[in-house]
Amino acid sequence: TQLLEQSPQFLSIQEGENLTVYCNSSSVFSSLQWYRQEPGEGPVLLVTVVTGGEVKKLKRLTFQFGDARKDSSLHITAAQTGDTGLYLCAGALGAAGNKLTFGGGTRVLVKP
Amino acid sequence: GAGVSQSPSNKVTEKGKDVELRCDPISGHTALYWYRQSLGQGLEFLIYFQGNSAPDKSGLPSDRFSAERTGGSVSTLTIQRTQQEDSAVYLCASSSAGPRKGNTIYFGEGSWLTVV
Repeated sequence: TQLLEQSPQFLSIQEGENLTVYCNSSSVFSSLQWYRQEPGEGPVLLVTVVTGGEVKKLKRLTFQFGDARKDSSLHITAAQTGDTGLYLCAGALGAAGNKLTFGGGTRVLVKP
Repeated sequence: GAGVSQSPSNKVTEKGKDVELRCDPISGHTALYWYRQSLGQGLEFLIYFQGNSAPDKSGLPSDRFSAERTGGSVSTLTIQRTQQEDSAVYLCASSSAGPRKGNTIYFGEGSWLTVV
């Protein structure tokens, strides 16, 4: 069992549709990050959320950090084919918050 | 270069051989991470270096795995007596500080290791 559970594991939608990816845990994180990874490349940071209840918007992407800092969601509005990729959430754990723990990832396919 | 550099980008090795993977972090970054990723899966934490502090080795899967960071810069991940289950992408990342307050972590493109 992973510390950070992502759901769904795979999502296939048509261009223009909306989608939501979830990241859940029983642990409290000092911060939580979302990454997007394309084949053959390393993950690229999309956003960092630090405060419980925080909502951040980046164009068509909306990120939310749960009030208890145990969960997060990523919502994409009007998905485009360029949104296709592996979406990873990662939380900072430990007394010093130094260990970044990743979820298993959600593979998103946006079809034209 | 400006980003995290990893070498080799691809490595095919025979079972039982030792391999070394190299990571050149972004200049000035004190924090360096190694992760392992199996095909299409999430990242598995291996080891974390921060400045002169003792590294966090809690993610290393066995004593066949070790890592060093010389002079607070370049890091080498060594896998001894490789097994087929070691086949994965090994990703290195660096940041200017730890991730606690959401410092941006930059990943390299990874070293693809295949053990045959």
